[in-house]
Amino acid sequence: DAGVIQSPRHEVTEMGQEVTLRCKPISGHDYLFWYRQTMMRGLELLIYFNNNVPIDDSGMPEDRFSAKMPNASFSTLKIQPSEPRDSAVYFCASSLGTGNSYEQYFGPGTRLTVT
Amino acid sequence: KQEVTQIPAALSVPEGENLVLNCSFTDSAIYNLQWFRQDPGKGLTSLLLIQSSQREQTSGRLNASLDKSSGRSTLYIAASQPGDSATYLCAVGDLYNFNKFYFGSGTKLNVKP
Repeated sequence: DAGVIQSPRHEVTEMGQEVTLRCKPISGHDYLFWYRQTMMRGLELLIYFNNNVPIDDSGMPEDRFSAKMPNASFSTLKIQPSEPRDSAVYFCASSLGTGNSYEQYFGPGTRLTVT
Repeated sequence: KQEVTQIPAALSVPEGENLVLNCSFTDSAIYNLQWFRQDPGKGLTSLLLIQSSQREQTSGRLNASLDKSSGRSTLYIAASQPGDSATYLCAVGDLYNFNKFYFGSGTKLNVKP
C-alpha cells in the first residue's frame, strides 16, 4: 500500500483565498483524521470520520474550516476565507480503529502558508 | 482536558549511548499510548503502541514503558545511532473516545557520530 496520500505538499496563498487540502487514506481503514501542527500549539486533532461520517469536530477552530469525506477513499479540508494564522502543517491520518490497535498512520502533510 | 508533556524538549547524545525520553500526562484515564517519530518535513511514523493494560512494549532497540497510575511513559533507545536523529512524540488515547489522541510537543533528538 502507498500509505496515506496528501496533496498538495505545499500551498502558498493570499489572505482571503479559499484553500482545499486533500487526503486519500489507506485502503480498508475506516477512520480518517485531520490534524494541524504549529510551533505554538503542537499537533492538534481537528476532526475525524468513521465510515465517511464526521464523528468529532470539536477541534475545528472556526466556521471558516470545513471537512468532508464523500467516499471511503477521499477527504477534503477546506478553509474559506484563509487567514495568516492558519499557516501550519496539516496532516491526514487513517486507522483501522478496531480491536486492540487503533494505531494511526500519517500522511506526509501539507505545509500551508497564508500571506 | 488531557495535558501531555515531554521533557526534555531537545537532547543531544554521542552515538552508541543509551537514552530515555520522557512523557507525562495529567489524566490517568487513558485507553492507550503511542510513540511516534517525526523526521523534518515528513509525517509521523508509529514506533510503539501500548495498551493501558500493558506495562511495556519492545521493538528492536526501542522499549516503551507505561505507568498509568503515575501518568508517565518512557521510551528507551539502546545503542543510539545517527539515524535515530528525529523528533519523538508521544500521544495519549482518550479512554472514552478511543480514536482521540492528545499529543505532546515532542523531544528533538540529535545523535552525533
